[in-house]
Amino acid sequence: LAKTTQPISMDSYEGQEVNITCSHNNIATNDYITWYQQFPSQGPRFIIQGYKTKVTNEVASLFIPADRKSSTLSLPRVSLSDTAVYYCLVGDLYILTGGGNKLTFGTGTQLKVEL
Amino acid sequence: DAGITQSPRHKVTETGTPVTLRCHQTENHRYMYWYRQDPGHGLRLIHYSYGVKDTDKGEVSDGYSVSRSKTEDFLLTLESATSSQTSVYFCAISESGLNYEQYFGPGTRLTVT
Repeated sequence: LAKTTQPISMDSYEGQEVNITCSHNNIATNDYITWYQQFPSQGPRFIIQGYKTKVTNEVASLFIPADRKSSTLSLPRVSLSDTAVYYCLVGDLYILTGGGNKLTFGTGTQLKVEL
Repeated sequence: DAGITQSPRHKVTETGTPVTLRCHQTENHRYMYWYRQDPGHGLRLIHYSYGVKDTDKGEVSDGYSVSRSKTEDFLLTLESATSSQTSVYFCAISESGLNYEQYFGPGTRLTVT
């Protein structure tokens, strides 16, 4: 599965747009890009998933360039409640049986939003 | 929220004792996962299941075993707990594969003394 690289931390202020970029240079043809959000003492929560170009839902947008070697999670007008860790995952949608599968969340990006 | 419960939510045990953590779902999802989360390491996959009695190893499976005799239950066992297994354990479920949308349980905080 594709290895991902994200910034360790980011700071922002309420009302600003935040863009978190994830690098995944060896992404495979069948791989999708998925982002999760995690608050302290809770399990991660799915935010958005995409394969190419742009995906938008009620909480975020995901931008994927044509070469798919990176992706950007965009959070519009963040608030204090968006302070969390954000994880980028890259992999096939379906489990490969046998041999073990090593999908990893990594350490994510700690986003801190201030007033 | 997806119907996922974990038990116990907190446990303190001594080195060398066996420990079993339970994950229960009411969503009838095929796939279930166990992760551990430690400072500086993020979330790491221990084992996963892709059906009843079908399981496979993840990234950090040494020292752990799993069983799934029913769709709704996925058990994680530490045969002989060690201090290095002190962690927060999360269970997750999904309808399809690993990169399909996963729903996470509330977590179990395990301390091995």
